[in-house]
Amino acid sequence: DQQVKQNSPSLSVQEGRISILNCDYTNSMFDYFLWYKKYPAEGPTFLISISSIKDKNEDGRFTVFLNKSAKHLSLHIVPSQPGDSAVYFCAASAGETSGSRLTFGEGTQLTVNP
Amino acid sequence: ETGVTQSPTHLIKTRGQQVTLRCSSQSGHNTVSWYQQALGQGPQFIFQYYREEENGRGNFPPRFSGLQFPNYSSELNVNALELDDSALYLCASSLAAGVLRNEQFFGPGTRLTVL
Repeated sequence: DQQVKQNSPSLSVQEGRISILNCDYTNSMFDYFLWYKKYPAEGPTFLISISSIKDKNEDGRFTVFLNKSAKHLSLHIVPSQPGDSAVYFCAASAGETSGSRLTFGEGTQLTVNP
Repeated sequence: ETGVTQSPTHLIKTRGQQVTLRCSSQSGHNTVSWYQQALGQGPQFIFQYYREEENGRGNFPPRFSGLQFPNYSSELNVNALELDDSALYLCASSLAAGVLRNEQFFGPGTRLTVL
């Protein structure tokens, strides 16, 4: 039962363009969503999060959009840079308090070409 | 401020053996979660420890067990290893429960290979 799904295993974009990574979820109890970035041989690094009471959260080049009715969120990176090349994981939890278990998607490999 | 550290980096075991993986949480964090990441998959929640007590468990059999120590470091023990246990094991620490933030900080992981 895959409660968080990232349907695109890979995405390739040109430097300077926008990268859009998508994520769908099925569990209505999820109310906090996070994006992590992972380089090879390193643990996932937190990027940005959003609470279900919001529909958008922005941090520099990274913006996360949440569509609760569609149970869909997306991460926009603009402009994309070669250093953004990594695996991106979408994660969700039921509860904002620290320590709630995270349910991850399968990840999307983003490649930004110079 | 030191980040989350894990040891060992790599480990090779044979079927039926037992293994212990270790994690030191980030300074000030008292919650530790363990995840298993199989090849090509996202991390899967194994269990979580808060103030030395198990505080939630994912869909893993009892041969996966853990400990948290008074200094909030943690161990993951796996008995009777199976081939499917081959994976990257990630430890994540977070701020005290009750804080309105769910950012978990991950260590680099331990790559376990079971032959």
